[in-house]
Amino acid sequence: GAGVSQSPSNKVTEKGKDVELRCDPISGHTALYWYRQSLGQGLEFLIYFQGNSAPDKSGLPSDRFSAERTGGSVSTLTIQRTQQEDSAVYLCASSPDRFSYEQYFGPGTRLTVT
Amino acid sequence: AQSVSQHNHHVILSEAASLELGCNYSYGGTVNLFWYVQYPGQHLQLLLKYFSGDPLVKGIKGFEAEFIKSKFSFNLRKPSVQWSDTAEYFCAVRGFTGGGNKLTFGTGTQLKVEL
Repeated sequence: GAGVSQSPSNKVTEKGKDVELRCDPISGHTALYWYRQSLGQGLEFLIYFQGNSAPDKSGLPSDRFSAERTGGSVSTLTIQRTQQEDSAVYLCASSPDRFSYEQYFGPGTRLTVT
Repeated sequence: AQSVSQHNHHVILSEAASLELGCNYSYGGTVNLFWYVQYPGQHLQLLLKYFSGDPLVKGIKGFEAEFIKSKFSFNLRKPSVQWSDTAEYFCAVRGFTGGGNKLTFGTGTQLKVEL
């Protein structure tokens, strides 16, 4: 079946501009996660959605970062007033529910801030 | 807070050599442990996982990992690597605190297997 998809695959933006990154999780998966992978760093947790519960935003690095998940499916990660240090690969993952151990990852969006 | 350390950042091996990648975690409670792999140009995918029971777990493609609770370690091993094992390997931990569904990843180990 279809896996997690993300768009765009690559995004180049100028410093100070806003960007939106999209994630389509696997159909039926209620849990959705955003991670960031910076050069030389591991994957850094950003935010977690589970069903209709309030999201776990504990990993968001600043108030310039926000995310929403509409209808319990598609999620959008928004970065306002981008900075060069925001350049990274942004990964989305989903899992069937909060108790599932495996997270299925998408291909990521490579964001470059110039 | 939980953390994961992967001590080998870059490893180069010849085909048929044995592999061991180190992973240590910091967390005082019950954990789930994972190894993910990212082959060139592909998504992250699960290699193997530990939840409970037998501390020696086997994954895909001949990989195995051993959970040693006293050492807070979960090292990845393979007796004989192949060129196709060239990839980046990530160790991850999920701790069972409130809201503990997120994974904490190590910085990854880039493995290159030479013919």
